[in-house]
Amino acid sequence: AQSVTQPDIHITVSEGASLELRCNYSYGATPYLFWYVQSPGQGLQLLLKYFSGDTLVQGIKGFEAEFKRSQSSFNLRKPSVHWSDAAEYFCAVLRNSGNTPLVFGKGTRLSVIA
Amino acid sequence: GAGVSQSPSNKVTEKGKDVELRCDPISGHTALYWYRQSLGQGLEFLIYFQGNSAPDKSGLPSDRFSAERTGGSVSTLTIQRTQQEDSAVYLCASSFPGGMNTEAFFGQGTRLTVV
Repeated sequence: AQSVTQPDIHITVSEGASLELRCNYSYGATPYLFWYVQSPGQGLQLLLKYFSGDTLVQGIKGFEAEFKRSQSSFNLRKPSVHWSDAAEYFCAVLRNSGNTPLVFGKGTRLSVIA
Repeated sequence: GAGVSQSPSNKVTEKGKDVELRCDPISGHTALYWYRQSLGQGLEFLIYFQGNSAPDKSGLPSDRFSAERTGGSVSTLTIQRTQQEDSAVYLCASSFPGGMNTEAFFGQGTRLTVV
């Protein structure tokens, strides 16, 4: 069965510091990969996605993620965090064949301190 | 509509009552998903529709949960004889099927509180 692991439940960073949120997936082939953000009281918003091609993908709000096939990882990064980035971040995968649902990790809560 | 619409946005119900949660997907999206998000938990997959059929019901937690979709559009998630552990935010998402258009768009969710 495919699964998604986000090892960090909660991360705290200082405003202006860099950020990396980890995501590992378990699936035999390369799935479609996504990062979503959920701000307090808000719905889920897609940050970026990887389907194929360039393994470094750029998203909204200055985020990027890098797909590493050898590590089955799709880590999310941002060079300089803003206080408004405080939110819950979810990694998700979708098998690239057949009718299957998105499988989400349990999320990483990001806190930003001054 | 412009986005995925869910109603009601909030629902408080007494234990043992039945509730219906509605999802109106983006026009043209044939895939529809229901998820449950409990406090401090991730997104738990419940059921997936492709058109009006549900090829994957594996996530429904018990036979008190059911869902239907009519006309390939609106979906209703029904919880019978609600229990306190059913309290959660129920999220609906829709997408095109397969290929490059598998990005799912989420509604704002229905916050269900069972008292």
